[in-house]
Amino acid sequence: DAKTTQPPSMDCAEGRAANLPCNHSTISGNEYVYWYRQIHSQGPQYIIHGLKNNETNEMASLIITEDRKSSTLILPHATLRDTAVYYCIVRVADTGRRALTFGSGTRLQVQP
Amino acid sequence: GAVVSQHPSRVICKSGTSVKIECRSLDFQATTMFWYRQFPKKSLMLMATSNEGSKATYEQGVEKDKFLINHASLTLSTLTVTSAHPEDSSFYICSARQPANYGYTFGSGTRLTVV
Repeated sequence: DAKTTQPPSMDCAEGRAANLPCNHSTISGNEYVYWYRQIHSQGPQYIIHGLKNNETNEMASLIITEDRKSSTLILPHATLRDTAVYYCIVRVADTGRRALTFGSGTRLQVQP
Repeated sequence: GAVVSQHPSRVICKSGTSVKIECRSLDFQATTMFWYRQFPKKSLMLMATSNEGSKATYEQGVEKDKFLINHASLTLSTLTVTSAHPEDSSFYICSARQPANYGYTFGSGTRLTVV
């Protein structure tokens, strides 16, 4: 799995967009970008994933650069409940029995 | 959507006793489940991969005799912390892979405190 680099922490004002960056310069052509988040004292929660096109769902948008070496997770209108650690994970979408590997993530603090 | 139920959410036990944590996939069958451990302000560390009907695969440095994993059915995996010590106090999280889309669903975690 390609290595990812995320800032350790970020702040965001409530109601504003939160833009969380992730660098994955060694990503391979068949590797996807996944985002999960972990709210304090809970298990991780899937947010979104993509290969090379931008993706959007009810939770967030994922913007992947054309060279695929970096991506940004966008929470369009952050709320206090979005305060969490956000993990960017790069890996192939295999059908095997491999677990997800978590890095240190970005601790997002949404301020009132 | 796919739900993984983990129980108990919190447990306090005395040193030397054993504690069992259950992880159930509620609406799908999971041939593979995963167990993680998380220390305060740290990331999740994979402990072992639980395979239905066969032995678990443990990560390097994880004592298999201390952390017993049983995956006796397609919807249930258990982690038993044997002869618990205060250093075993941690947040334990299970995860299951959905067969339909190979996505990962996580339990809500178990906070173990050994006194």
